[in-house]
Amino acid sequence: DAGVTQSPTHLIKTRGQHVTLRCSPISGHKSVSWYQQVLGQGPQFIFQYYEKEERGRGNFPDRFSARQFPNYSSELNVNALLLGDSALYLCASSPHGSSNNSPLHFGNGTRLTVT
Amino acid sequence: AQSVTQLGSHVSVSEGALVLLRCNYSSSVPPYLFWYVQYPNQGLQLLLKYTSAATLVKGINGFEAEFKKSETSFHLTKPSAHMSDAAEYFCAVSYNQGGKLIFGQGTELSVKP
Repeated sequence: DAGVTQSPTHLIKTRGQHVTLRCSPISGHKSVSWYQQVLGQGPQFIFQYYEKEERGRGNFPDRFSARQFPNYSSELNVNALLLGDSALYLCASSPHGSSNNSPLHFGNGTRLTVT
Repeated sequence: AQSVTQLGSHVSVSEGALVLLRCNYSSSVPPYLFWYVQYPNQGLQLLLKYTSAATLVKGINGFEAEFKKSETSFHLTKPSAHMSDAAEYFCAVSYNQGGKLIFGQGTELSVKP
């Protein structure tokens, strides 16, 4: 089975622009989470969606939004990009809404560079 | 605030030597604990998880970790390092908040021949 797939793998945007990142979970997984990993730091939780509903939101501004589609794939949208949004954006999926007994499976991420 | 601390941003060992990566968490409630590994330009791969069963947890690639509630620690060990173990290692905790993981800052492991 294919793992978590993310697209695009790399992206370069200019300050003020908008970006959409995409994620397809492992087949059968209904939960998708998004994390931001700035260079040299651990991933920071942005959103979790389960069964198309938002289950959790991290400490990120309203410029960040996401949604989950009926096929459980997900999009992360970031408006009005800032230089500080440059990071590796990781998508993770799990079968259920809680990570405790069904650990997250991560994709290889989208490297976003904002110039 | 709940947090995870990984002591040592860089650890260097010789091939065949013991690997010890340290992780401490802050919580009065025992969390669920995880170790992930990240190779360059890749996502995170689960090494092992603690979910309140046995305190000594065995994972993939010969790694294991011991949960010590009295020390609020979950250190990762491997008896004999291999060159292929060179990577970034992240400790993470979950407090049953719907899939949210709190990650430490990471420890980069280097293995010298």
